[in-house]
Amino acid sequence: DAKTTQPTSMDCAEGRAANLPCNHSTISGNEYVYWYRQIHSQGPQYIIHGLKNNETNEMASLIITEDRKSSTLILPHATLRDTAVYYCIVRAANTGNQFYFGTGTSLTVIP
Amino acid sequence: GAVVSQHPSWVICKSGTSVKIECRSLDFQATTMFWYRQFPKQSLMLMATSNEGSKATYEQGVEKDKFLINHASLTLSTLTVTSAHPEDSSFYICSARDPSGYAFGYTFGSGTRLTVV
Repeated sequence: DAKTTQPTSMDCAEGRAANLPCNHSTISGNEYVYWYRQIHSQGPQYIIHGLKNNETNEMASLIITEDRKSSTLILPHATLRDTAVYYCIVRAANTGNQFYFGTGTSLTVIP
Repeated sequence: GAVVSQHPSWVICKSGTSVKIECRSLDFQATTMFWYRQFPKQSLMLMATSNEGSKATYEQGVEKDKFLINHASLTLSTLTVTSAHPEDSSFYICSARDPSGYAFGYTFGSGTRLTVV
């Protein structure tokens, strides 16, 4: 599975959009981009995933560049409850392979 | 959606004893489950892949005789930490893949905090 690079930490003001970047320059054509987050002392929670098109759900939007070498997770209106570590993972979808987690981005939403 | 339940949520055990952690898929069958370990301020580290009806596959550096994994049914995998020592104190998390879910994504349990004293 392709390796990802994320900033170690970010801050965001409450109510503003949080934009979390992820680089995955070695991504393969059949690999999806997944985003999970982990609130302190809980298991990771699925947020969103995509292959090449931008995606949006009730939690977030995912913007994938045309060359697929990077992506951005957007939380449109960050709240204090969005404070968590956000993990970007790339992985082929049609396999039973595991998820390998990188270091993630620790997002702190500031009142 | 798919739900994975872990039990217990926290446990304290004495050094040298064994402790069992359960991971259940509540509304789907999981032929494969995964066990992770997370130390404070670190990321999740995959320990092993649990396969229903067959032996688990361990990641490099994980002692299979110390971390016993049993996946006897399609909804239950257990992790037993044998002869626990303080350095085994960690946050253990399981996950399972719901084949009918989103792009074969995974659902994670809420984790088990193990403290060995």
